[in-house]
Amino acid sequence: GIQVEQSPPDLILQEGANSTLRCNFSDSVNNLQWFHQNPWGQLINLFYIPSGTKQNGRLSATTVATERYSLLYISSSQTTDSGVYFCAAVPLGATNKLIFGTGTLLAVQP
Amino acid sequence: EPEVTQTPSHQVTQMGQEVILRCVPISNHLYFYWYRQILGQKVEFLVSFYNNEISEKSEIFDDQFSVERPDGSNFTLKIRSTKLEDSAMYFCASSRSGTSSLNEQFFGPGTRLTVL
Repeated sequence: GIQVEQSPPDLILQEGANSTLRCNFSDSVNNLQWFHQNPWGQLINLFYIPSGTKQNGRLSATTVATERYSLLYISSSQTTDSGVYFCAAVPLGATNKLIFGTGTLLAVQP
Repeated sequence: EPEVTQTPSHQVTQMGQEVILRCVPISNHLYFYWYRQILGQKVEFLVSFYNNEISEKSEIFDDQFSVERPDGSNFTLKIRSTKLEDSAMYFCASSRSGTSSLNEQFFGPGTRLTVL
């Protein structure tokens, strides 16, 4: 089955810094989503981005489907950005079950 | 904005007891899912449900698990005889479609199940 790998596993930033999180996937996909898991455990939808680029405030994401990776950019980070960021993918031609990566644990320090 | 809701937010049960986790998917969505996340681990797919039947289930979803859509709004996950290793956060999700560009999945806030 598809492998979804994320890097880095952990990241510590000072407030105001920028960061890039990476998600590699081993097969073509028809669904690629980014989530933020907050300290209460809730999964917050950030982006639905099987291809292309999207922006939402300080966050943006790019998926290069032909090269099988996606990037999540966080600019001017805030302490509320702390938590775990997951990417998840559905392989092309498969049923719509999301395969999650192992996540990136982000800590933003004041 | 419509959202997926789940109840209860936290459930504590004794090993061997039955539990039912409840979800109300987004109203115009047709595909429903359960995932679980053991503490400190990644989120794992359990089961998908469409047109009143299971579309796919994972190896985790054994005979102790069942899903049901008892009415037009609720979607439930039942664990018949809980084990210690069932302790996890259980997430319900829904999507409008299963295959097209409308297959984005939206997640509920989760039910934290603790089996003692």
